[in-house]
Amino acid sequence: GAVVSQHPSRVICKSGTSVKIECRSLDFQATTMFWYRQFPKQSLMLMATSNEGSKATYEQGVEKDKFLINHASLTLSTLTVTSAHPEDSSFYICSARSGDQPQHFGDGTRLSIL
Amino acid sequence: GESVGLHLPTLSVQEGDNSIINCAYSNSASDYFIWYKQESGKGPQFIIDIRSNMDKRQGQRVTVLLNKTVKHLSLQIAATQPGDSAVYFCAESRYQAGTALIFGKGTTLSVSS
Repeated sequence: GAVVSQHPSRVICKSGTSVKIECRSLDFQATTMFWYRQFPKQSLMLMATSNEGSKATYEQGVEKDKFLINHASLTLSTLTVTSAHPEDSSFYICSARSGDQPQHFGDGTRLSIL
Repeated sequence: GESVGLHLPTLSVQEGDNSIINCAYSNSASDYFIWYKQESGKGPQFIIDIRSNMDKRQGQRVTVLLNKTVKHLSLQIAATQPGDSAVYFCAESRYQAGTALIFGKGTTLSVSS
């Protein structure tokens, strides 16, 4: 089955640090990747949609200069949280889709900003 | 805006019972629905999907029912097992438009032996 790998699985860093999260589709080419954020005991909230080779489309209320998304190839998308602060602490989850297949999700990245 | 909600936040069942998890969606333009299972600290795991041209779809031990008239979706799990304990989310999208999945709030299923 389709596999999406996310790295790192956990990050703990100081306030003001920029953090990069990678999302890879391991056995298929993902034309579209999505980034979600999930706070404790809440649902997944869509942050942005990323198509290979083009700029990401951000959801309302998500700062594009804060959350930089790069989708340079059909198997890799990155999310960089710039100058992270404690309120950015969350569980970040990517997903990838190819053609008419369902979205498949990575196992998430737990980001903790001290 | 678009939203998908759930009727019950928690569901507790005994091992071997059948479980029914409900979901209400608000966007009548949605034409594709998925149920995901999420275990603690992990990403959502695909369970079953259904398109709007169907009202029922069965998988292994799971059945999804779609009622477009009242915009209601349900997941039925037969012979629930302790390993089924997790948070279950329904999600919707406008498949033909290629939109992202929008998730509901989630139902925590707790299965006791």
